[in-house]
Order: sequence, then structure tokens, then C-alpha cells
Amino acid sequence: EAGVVQSPRYKIIEKKQPVAFWCNPISGHNTLYWYLQNLGQGPELLIRYENEEAVDDSQLPKDRFSAERLKGVDSTLKIQPAELGDSAVYLCASSLRTDNTGELFFGEGSRLTVL
Amino acid sequence: QKEVEQDPGPLSVPEGAIVSLNCTYSNSAFQYFMWYRQYSRKGPELLMYTYSSGNKEDGRFTAQVDKSSKYISLFIRDSQPSDSATYLCAMSSGTASKLTFGTGTRLQVTL
Repeated sequence: EAGVVQSPRYKIIEKKQPVAFWCNPISGHNTLYWYLQNLGQGPELLIRYENEEAVDDSQLPKDRFSAERLKGVDSTLKIQPAELGDSAVYLCASSLRTDNTGELFFGEGSRLTVL
Repeated sequence: QKEVEQDPGPLSVPEGAIVSLNCTYSNSAFQYFMWYRQYSRKGPELLMYTYSSGNKEDGRFTAQVDKSSKYISLFIRDSQPSDSATYLCAMSSGTASKLTFGTGTRLQVTL
């Protein structure tokens, strides 16, 4: 069974440029998460989807970040414009359970460097 | 003060040693406790999952939760070089609540 797939794995852009990350969750997993992981830190939740609905986006900086999950499967996370402080790893995760008790399956992450 | 505190390490041990990794937390509502392992340039993978207090064993790994002290531990017996990774504790209060991670402890098991 394929795991959570993310692309691109690495992205280098200049500040003020836009960037987008894509995630394909494990088949059958209705819950999808985007996490931000800074160097030497644990992941921090950006947004959680239940099917197509964003049920928790309280930590998403909505002035520059946006996300969508059309048809309740794949998801994209966009940053526009990127800032130097956005350099981090963006992790996508999915889970089968909808009660958010912690059994998450993570992708390998998309590492963003903003110059 | 962070809700979840974890010593970042690094922790270096010889092969075969018993490793003890720990986290403390402040939110008494946490009921679900997890340990994730993260290899370099990879995503975290779930290692151990415990509900409420008590111990759970899985092969060389033992997870302990002491809710009265707000303290959780992960023990690794007979550590192997392949155990070298960052270990993240994580916890949740349950339904519809977010998962809160520690900063992770980097472990190096040497030959």
C-alpha cells in the first residue's frame, strides 16, 4: 500500500515568489493534515481537513497561505508571497480515524528554502 | 512555557545500551500519548501509542505514561545503530483536538 505522497521534495525560491506543495494521502483516509516543521522543532499543525472541509485552520497564516482539498482526496498548500521565515519542511499527513487521537501517517515532506 | 517539553539532546549511547527518552507536559486534558520516530530528511512515523496512564511494550520499545506527574517515557532496550533518529513525543486530548508535539530528542547509537 502506498504511503502519503508529497511533491516536490525540495524547492528553492526567492522571497516574494509563490510556491505550491501537493499531497496525495493514503487511500481511504478522510482526514488530511498539513504541518510545518522548523529545524530542531516538532511539527505544528497548519490545517486539518475532514474530506473537503477545513475543520481546523486556526494556525494557518491566511494573509499568505492558502490550502484546498478538492474532491476530498489530494490537497495543495500554497504560499504567496513567500518570506524568508517560511523556510521549513511542510509535512502532509493523513489518518483513517476522524477523532484525531494521533495515529497519523506522514509523508516525507517538502523542504522549502526561501532566499 | 510550552505545553510539551522535551530535551533536544543530542543523546549518544553505545550499541546495546538502554535508552530513556522523556517528555513532560502541562495540559492535564491530554489523554492520548504517542512517540514518533523521524529519520533524517524523512517524515515522522508512529512508533508507540498509549491511551491514558500505564505501560505498553512492543518488542524492544516500552512506553510509560504517568498522568499524575504529567510525564511520559520511551525506553529502548538493546539499542541498535538503526535506532539513530529523532524521537518526537506527541499528545492529544482526543476528539477533534490537535496533536501537540515535543521538539524531539536526537538519538545517536554508536558501534
